[in-house]
Amino acid sequence: AQSVTQLGSHVSVSEGALVLLRCNYSSSVPPYLFWYVQYPNQGLQLLLKYTSAATLVKGINGFEAEFKKSETSFHLTKPSAHMSDAAEYFCAGQGAQKLVFGQGTRLTINP
Amino acid sequence: GAVVSQHPSRVICKSGTSVKIECRSLDFQATTMFWYRQFPKQSLMLMATSNEGSKATYEQGVEKDKFLINHASLTLSTLTVTSAHPEDSSFYICSARSSYSYNEQFFGPGTRLTVL
Repeated sequence: AQSVTQLGSHVSVSEGALVLLRCNYSSSVPPYLFWYVQYPNQGLQLLLKYTSAATLVKGINGFEAEFKKSETSFHLTKPSAHMSDAAEYFCAGQGAQKLVFGQGTRLTINP
Repeated sequence: GAVVSQHPSRVICKSGTSVKIECRSLDFQATTMFWYRQFPKQSLMLMATSNEGSKATYEQGVEKDKFLINHASLTLSTLTVTSAHPEDSSFYICSARSSYSYNEQFFGPGTRLTVL
């Protein structure tokens, strides 16, 4: 079965520190992977997507993710966290007909 | 581009009534629309997939008579929660996909339903 797993339901970092949100996908998931951000009571906003082109994908708000086939990973990073990055983050993979979402990671930024 | 709207953004209704939620693609033709449900502090759960002009495909465990989906045009899909009960209270999110962006869905802002 296709699956996307986010390691860590809650990540807390200090402002200015590195942000690392982990995502692993099952090998049966086609290589179309996405990271979304969700602010309270809002829909999902696309941060970035991997579509079999460059393995290092740059997105909005300074985020980037690297597709590593050998590790079946697509971790999201940002060099320096900002208070406005506090939100829920979802990793997703495009299945045969539908998106498969991870469980989500809540990112908290400490001042 | 690729904007999806939902209306209403919030709705409160009494138990037993029906509620309709609209999902519109504003600047593209959505050949496929998806309806998700999200409980607090949880991920999105796909409820159904609808293709324009055909019946929706419901995920396992989702009652099709309870959650009526209509996708009558390339820019509009509606979700009607019939005879709503408090356990139907949730955040409902739609997304849309065009024939030109098969591998990407564009999400609406969500609708918060509260059933008293």
